Amino acid sequence: AQSVTQPDIHITVSEGASLELRCNYSYGATPYLFWYVQSPGQGLQLLLKYFSGDTLVQGIKGFEAEFKRSQSSFNLRKPSVHWSDAAEYFCAVGANNAGNMLTFGGGTRLMVKP
Amino acid sequence: NAGVTQTPKFQVLKTGQSMTLQCAQDMNHEYMSWYRQDPGMGLRLIHYSVGAGITDQGEVPNGYNVSRSTTEDFPLRLLSAAPSQTSVYFCASRAADLYNEQFFGPGTRLTVL
Repeated sequence: AQSVTQPDIHITVSEGASLELRCNYSYGATPYLFWYVQSPGQGLQLLLKYFSGDTLVQGIKGFEAEFKRSQSSFNLRKPSVHWSDAAEYFCAVGANNAGNMLTFGGGTRLMVKP
Repeated sequence: NAGVTQTPKFQVLKTGQSMTLQCAQDMNHEYMSWYRQDPGMGLRLIHYSVGAGITDQGEVPNGYNVSRSTTEDFPLRLLSAAPSQTSVYFCASRAADLYNEQFFGPGTRLTVL
């Protein structure tokens, strides 16, 4: 069975600073990887996804993520954080089986200092 | 399109009570699912459906029932609520193609006393 680990429960960065959120997955085959963002009191919004091809994927709101098979990682990055990026971020892996449902990591809560 | 809608937004139950969380989507998506969100544990899959009349269990199905009589609706039933079921519940849907985005509803915050 697949699993996802997000090692950082909370991260605080200053506005304008760069950001990297870590995600490690465990899955026996080629993974389908996703990053979602959840603003307070809201549902989840897809930031980006990786299925195959170029290992650096671009998403919405200026985010990007890099798939590294050798490290089983799919870290999310943003070069310059805005106060509006404060939210909770979830990494997820989708399995290529019946239902193809997602397995989520525990989430990383991002706080942005002015 | 309204997307994925959930009702109610908030609910308080007493232990042993039953209730149904409603979920509807207007995107004609084949796949629908229910997740619960608990602090530090991310979202965990409760039940899912790949089409009308077809449901299956996810990671944490105990204490919950589902049915899928139409493409649009996927209600989640708690037969006898327990405090351990206090959580935020999200419904999601997507088209059958694996590469399609999964859309989430706004969530239902449930408290069981």
